[in-house]
Amino acid sequence: DGGITQSPKYLFRKEGQNVTLSCEQNLNHDAMYWYRQDPGQGLRLIYYSQIVNDFQKGDIAEGYSVSREKKESFPLTVTSAQKNPTAFYLCASRRYNTEAFFGQGTRLTVV
Amino acid sequence: SQQGEEDPQALSIQEGENATMNCSYKTSINNLQWYRQNSGRGLVHLILIRSNEREKHSGRLRVTLDTSKKSSSLLITASRAADTASYFCATDFAIGADGLTFGKGTHLIIQP
Repeated sequence: DGGITQSPKYLFRKEGQNVTLSCEQNLNHDAMYWYRQDPGQGLRLIYYSQIVNDFQKGDIAEGYSVSREKKESFPLTVTSAQKNPTAFYLCASRRYNTEAFFGQGTRLTVV
Repeated sequence: SQQGEEDPQALSIQEGENATMNCSYKTSINNLQWYRQNSGRGLVHLILIRSNEREKHSGRLRVTLDTSKKSSSLLITASRAADTASYFCATDFAIGADGLTFGKGTHLIIQP
């Protein structure tokens, strides 16, 4: 089935660690996005990519990094520079000017 | 960045009643989209309405768009307990960076 897959579903990070969240899609979409959601809040854009080997910062990119080496994959690394990383992370993909398809999310907790 | 803002933040109604949620935004758009999110899950797309459209239907959902007022509404008719979720509007801007911009959502509770 076509879709977008995030892994893992739950992730625990120790202070000072970098962690990487996976996002894979087989929808042949050019654009991919990472959003952060805090409890009771909307989605805030971290990074997006419109084409392979190119990506742009969103509203809250500090403390995060991404890569787009393949069309299907857009991993997000939460670095130790992100001081408040506990949140629900959502990946999405779409064709230009159309609806987005979301993964089921990764819940990251700092322990 | 510019955000759509939903109103109300929370809404509780009886099963069978209609639920109306509103969204306001600030700049010109290509389209406006409504999504649903069940607790702890990803978002699911409901309806996309383009800037040259005024109304769109999908099953029990009706979306209107008023570009002169920069506002949209989502109506869910004959609500069911399974409609309990958070509903978000997302604006796709005409100029500037790519990426849908989301509001904070309306949390809808349908009382059985």
